[in-house]
Parts: sequence; C-alpha cells; structure tokens
Amino acid sequence: KQEVTQIPAALSVPEGENLVLNCSFTDSAIYNLQWFRQDPGKGLTSLLLIQSSQREQTSGRLNASLDKSSGRSTLYIAASQPGDSATYLCAISRGAGNQFYFGTGTSLTVIP
Amino acid sequence: GAVVSQHPSRVICKSGTSVKIECRSLDFQATTMFWYRQFPKQSLMLMATSNEGSKATYEQGVEKDKFLINHASLTLSTLTVTSAHPEDSSFYICSAGAGGPPYNEQFFGPGTRLTVL
Repeated sequence: KQEVTQIPAALSVPEGENLVLNCSFTDSAIYNLQWFRQDPGKGLTSLLLIQSSQREQTSGRLNASLDKSSGRSTLYIAASQPGDSATYLCAISRGAGNQFYFGTGTSLTVIP
Repeated sequence: GAVVSQHPSRVICKSGTSVKIECRSLDFQATTMFWYRQFPKQSLMLMATSNEGSKATYEQGVEKDKFLINHASLTLSTLTVTSAHPEDSSFYICSAGAGGPPYNEQFFGPGTRLTVL
C-alpha cells in the first residue's frame, strides 16, 4: 500500500519568503501526483498535476517537482503571501481512474 | 476546470437517523467517483470507489451496510450514512476524474460536514 508523508506538518513564515513543502512516497509506481490546497472547513482546490513522465509543473508562483526514483515531490511557493495560508496536501494515483492516496498535509501560515 | 458539487454542505442529525449526501459532476461524465472521509486535523482517507451501474468497492474497515453508495448515473453518486452515530461525524468529500488518461485529474467536491448528535 502506498504511504505518503509530508514534512513539515506545520510551517510559519513571514510574508515574501520563498518556501518548499515536501512530499515523500513509498511506492515509485505512480501514475500521477497532484498538489491541493485546503482552507479550513473547506474542500480541496487543485494546484498542480504532475504526470509520472514529467519532472515538474509550474503555475504562477507555484512550482512542483517529481522525482519518482527517490520517492519525492516538492512544492515551491515563491514570494509567499498571507492568502497562501492553508493546508497543502499531496496525493498520488497509481493508475488511470484509480483513487488517490493522500499525504498527511502541511499547515502553512504566512505572517503579514 | 471541471466542477463537482455536493449537497448538502452541512447537515446535523440525531443519532439513529440516516443521511444522504449527493455528489454531482456538473459539466462532465464520471464513470467512477470516490468518497473520502476526513476527521479533524487528519488527512483524507478513501472510503469507497463508486462505479456507475455496478456495486461500489469499499476500503478495508468501511462497513458497506452502513455507508450505502449508489452511482445511478454518469453524473451522480450518493452516499447514505445509515443509522448514524456520533462517531460518524466527519467531513465527507467526493471526487471525480475528468479528462481521461493520461491525466486522470481528480476534481473534488466542496465537502459535506456531518454532525451527529
């Protein structure tokens, strides 16, 4: 069974700082990896999707990388803003149409 | 992106009653939908896979007779929590895949907060 871990569990940074969130997984036979953000009491917002054949994806201030061989993905957030405060989840799918295995999440607080 | 809706967004019920939660894909068809449960300060855990026109597949430890899933059409899956108890209080989220292989990007509903008194 796929185990997905995120480090750190919580992170607090001053506004404007660049930061990296980490996601590690035990089974390298993944189909794709998706990063989400979740605001308190809310559902999930998809941020970036990386297919297994890709190494990174970028959207605005966000950049996600994938290294299957080492079982790692990182989410880089540039010039953080208070509005970035949320819980960030990575999730891994093992095949088309398959369910996702979610990481434990990183709770991010950006201090104005 | 594709939109998935859930109804209701919040429900409070008495212990012993049944609650139905709907998950709809609004602008695409989904032969498969997934139901997740999230307890406070924890991550999402898959409960079951809902398959259109066939029986749902449940994860280990999830009671199929307690959590009834019906995927009657390509745009609607329902989760019924039967004889709900306080320990069933949780945040229930559904997802559906859009775009087909190789993307399989999952779009999630806004979630349903269930509180059982």
